[in-house]
Amino acid sequence: AQTVTQSQPEMSVQEAETVTLSCTYDTSESDYYLFWYKQPPSRQMILVIRQEAYKQQNATENRFSVNFQKAAKSFSLKISDSQLGDAAMYFCAYRRRWGGTALIFGKGTTLSVSS
Amino acid sequence: EADIYQTPRYLVIGTGKKITLECSQTMGHDKMYWYQQDPGMELHLIHYSYGVNSTEKGDLSSESTVSRIRTEHFPLTLESARPSHTSQYLCASTPGQGIDTQYFGPGTRLTVL
Repeated sequence: AQTVTQSQPEMSVQEAETVTLSCTYDTSESDYYLFWYKQPPSRQMILVIRQEAYKQQNATENRFSVNFQKAAKSFSLKISDSQLGDAAMYFCAYRRRWGGTALIFGKGTTLSVSS
Repeated sequence: EADIYQTPRYLVIGTGKKITLECSQTMGHDKMYWYQQDPGMELHLIHYSYGVNSTEKGDLSSESTVSRIRTEHFPLTLESARPSHTSQYLCASTPGQGIDTQYFGPGTRLTVL
């Protein structure tokens, strides 16, 4: 069975600084998708960034980028130039590419941003 | 934000009541999902549907039931609510093609007294 582990329950960063959230996963599949979702307090969960395992190039979305290390089964999220609005719970998630149904989530990392 | 809606957003009820949590999406997505999320914890899949008249149970055992009579609508029902059902329930949908990114609704926070 696939599992997703986020080893940092809480992280903090100052505005304009950079922070990296860690995620590791375990799977015997070779083809899959990885996602980072953001869940602000009492607000809707939204997709931050996604990565296709068969692509070696790391995904980037504006201030958000990932470091995808397939051999190490690691998928960290880097947030550059942190803003107050980045404060949220961040979930790493995995899905098989073929025959996958729903997402498998990690336990989440709560990110606080201070001014 | 995606066009997926959940009502009610908050619900406090007594033990033994029957409740239905509504979920609807206007994107024409074939696949829909229900997740359960305890405070500060990860999401666990409890039900999913690949289309009309198709429903399956997820990885986490749940006493709830679902139906999919229309593409856009995926309600979840608890016949007799108990305090152990207190949680947040998130609905999601995907187009069923390609990378199949899931779009989430705002969630229903249920408290059973």
